[in-house]
Amino acid sequence: KNQVEQSPQSLIILEGKNCTLQCNYTVSPFSNLRWYKQDTGRGPVSLTIMTFSENTKSNGRYTATLDADTKQSSLHITASQLSDSASYICVVSKGPGGSYIPTFGRGTSLIVHP
Amino acid sequence: GAVVSQHPSRVICKSGTSVKIECRSLDFQATTMFWYRQFPKQSLMLMATSNEGSKATYEQGVEKDKFLINHASLTLSTLTVTSAHPEDSSFYICSARPGLADSGPQYFGPGTRLTVL
Repeated sequence: KNQVEQSPQSLIILEGKNCTLQCNYTVSPFSNLRWYKQDTGRGPVSLTIMTFSENTKSNGRYTATLDADTKQSSLHITASQLSDSASYICVVSKGPGGSYIPTFGRGTSLIVHP
Repeated sequence: GAVVSQHPSRVICKSGTSVKIECRSLDFQATTMFWYRQFPKQSLMLMATSNEGSKATYEQGVEKDKFLINHASLTLSTLTVTSAHPEDSSFYICSARPGLADSGPQYFGPGTRLTVL
């Protein structure tokens, strides 16, 4: 079982609508959680990073939340645009003793239709 | 922001040949670089962690003699796929971590699409 589970696997929304992507993890010890956006055929680009003590982080229309107790995170996209169509990947890094090696979720494929 | 480049972006080669992929951090020094492989509709899979001046650490199941990694400087790491076979066709992505902190962010390159005929 993957230590980072993302849902939904894919999502289709209309331009202008909001959406929320979920990430549940079992990685331990925890260091940080990052959300990346990966366009098709490109490398991932970092959107947000959160450590244990942070429970929300915003980057423009992207807002990430973290509940370290329940080991859940979400990425909320507001007023979606066509350019938001991409794969969104949740990455959790292990903390001390885990060499900070990141564990990747399988990603959520988002398609924004006009 | 930190920029990581990869070269080439695409490569097509014949089965049995070797292919070298370069990963460069353009505006920062990276003690640690990571190499990933990504198959269609799959997430990135870590292949190896490359530390400047020392041998790379390979993940379980990754053949170190087939995927040669060299990290000779703080801005350059190379991945050589030796005796490539069609099953090696994939999207290879590197990332670089600035400075010495183990918990620092990773910056990803744009990826290299390898097709082995």
